[in-house]
Amino acid sequence: DIQMTQSPSTLSASVGDRVTITCRASQSISNWLAWYQQKPGKAPKLLINKASSLESGVPSRFSGSGSGTEFTLTISSLQPDDFATYYCQQYNSYPYTFGQGTKLEIE
Amino acid sequence: QLQLQESGPGLVKPSETLSLTCTVSGGSLSSTGDYWGWIRQPPGKGLEWIGTIYYSGKTYFNPSLKSRVTISVDTSKNHFSLKLSSVTAADTAVYYCARHRSGFLDSWGQGTLVTVSS
Repeated sequence: DIQMTQSPSTLSASVGDRVTITCRASQSISNWLAWYQQKPGKAPKLLINKASSLESGVPSRFSGSGSGTEFTLTISSLQPDDFATYYCQQYNSYPYTFGQGTKLEIE
Repeated sequence: QLQLQESGPGLVKPSETLSLTCTVSGGSLSSTGDYWGWIRQPPGKGLEWIGTIYYSGKTYFNPSLKSRVTISVDTSKNHFSLKLSSVTAADTAVYYCARHRSGFLDSWGQGTLVTVSS
């Protein structure tokens, strides 16, 4: 199985900050990576697919980059609605696997 | 707009079989290229992919659960189902159904909490 490791596990930041979350794969997954946002009691919401392709309707302050084994999700200017937990997921091969999550908290 | 809705018992006894159904509306299970999956999330923990089915019946499972999982599809009712046998407390989780597009999950159900307890 491909292991996905996110860092940090928790991130404290303020409105207006620029933040970056990293996701590393245990082997190359090309650019077959998605990012999701999850709020308490809700289903995850797809933000980005294929490492850098923004889903329709997702604000442009979200961006993704990377290929191979290292990927990043960047939020350019945090808004109050962005405080949530973020997950990466590889879909290069079965079994699909997720990172353990990064909880973005208000500082 | 595509909508997915999970349904099934919220409480299952240990050693019994968990059964859930995902009903799809606003779209067809038979759409070419769309796959349909189950994902779970234990309380306070991360996401785990359980398995995926194509409308033809082709299935893919997480090896960690494969021996206990069955996923089936009923295109006439536009729903797909999950069965997980021999459940224990470790199977207590919110269970989500979702649509796979090329592997990523772009539409999700709201999720349903299943508790395993006697």
